Amino acid sequence: QKEVEQDPGPLSVPEGAIVSLNCTYSNSAFQYFMWYRQYSRKGPELLMYTYSSGNKEDGRFTAQVDKSSKYISLFIRDSQPSDSATYLCAMTENTGTASKLTFGTGTRLQVTL
Amino acid sequence: NAGVMQNPRHLVRRRGQEARLRCSPMKGHSHVYWYRQLPEEGLKFMVYLQKENIIDESGMPKERFSAEFPKEGPSILRIQQVVRGDSAAYFCASSSSGQGVDGYTFGSGTRLTVV
Repeated sequence: QKEVEQDPGPLSVPEGAIVSLNCTYSNSAFQYFMWYRQYSRKGPELLMYTYSSGNKEDGRFTAQVDKSSKYISLFIRDSQPSDSATYLCAMTENTGTASKLTFGTGTRLQVTL
Repeated sequence: NAGVMQNPRHLVRRRGQEARLRCSPMKGHSHVYWYRQLPEEGLKFMVYLQKENIIDESGMPKERFSAEFPKEGPSILRIQQVVRGDSAAYFCASSSSGQGVDGYTFGSGTRLTVV
């Protein structure tokens, strides 16, 4: 069993739709949870990160963490064609030194006109 | 700010040759991390280095792979006697400290193809 599970997609939605991306994990020691966006042939770019449980909002993006269920989500409102990319969840124990990230496999998102 | 620079962007090696991948961290960053991304898989941590020190190499294969981050110059990931299974995208990230995640910046990667 992988430490972090993520549906690879692809996920295709029309422009303006709300997108929900999710990951589950098995390591209860994970404390920091991140979402990265990766365009084709590029490196991952950090979108958002949250510490422990709760919600965090940044513009059209909302990240949610439910540590009791070991489940994290990223919501994208009013999706745009420019949001078409692969979205990777990542997490770390971040014991104070660090920071070795454990990634999901990524979900490929296509936003169509 | 040039960001994290990796070169070459693409590298083709024949089986049995050596591959050397270079990573120059962002200005002011002294922590470097290497990850490997196999097709249809997420990034896998390989090694974490500070200047002249390997801090965590728990993700490095036991043989043929080595990494360094000298006092001067870029970090180098070296793969000896490459095999087809080494074909992947190799990403480097850097940060200014070993704590926190918001300054953790990735390069565009080196795509290694072993023929």
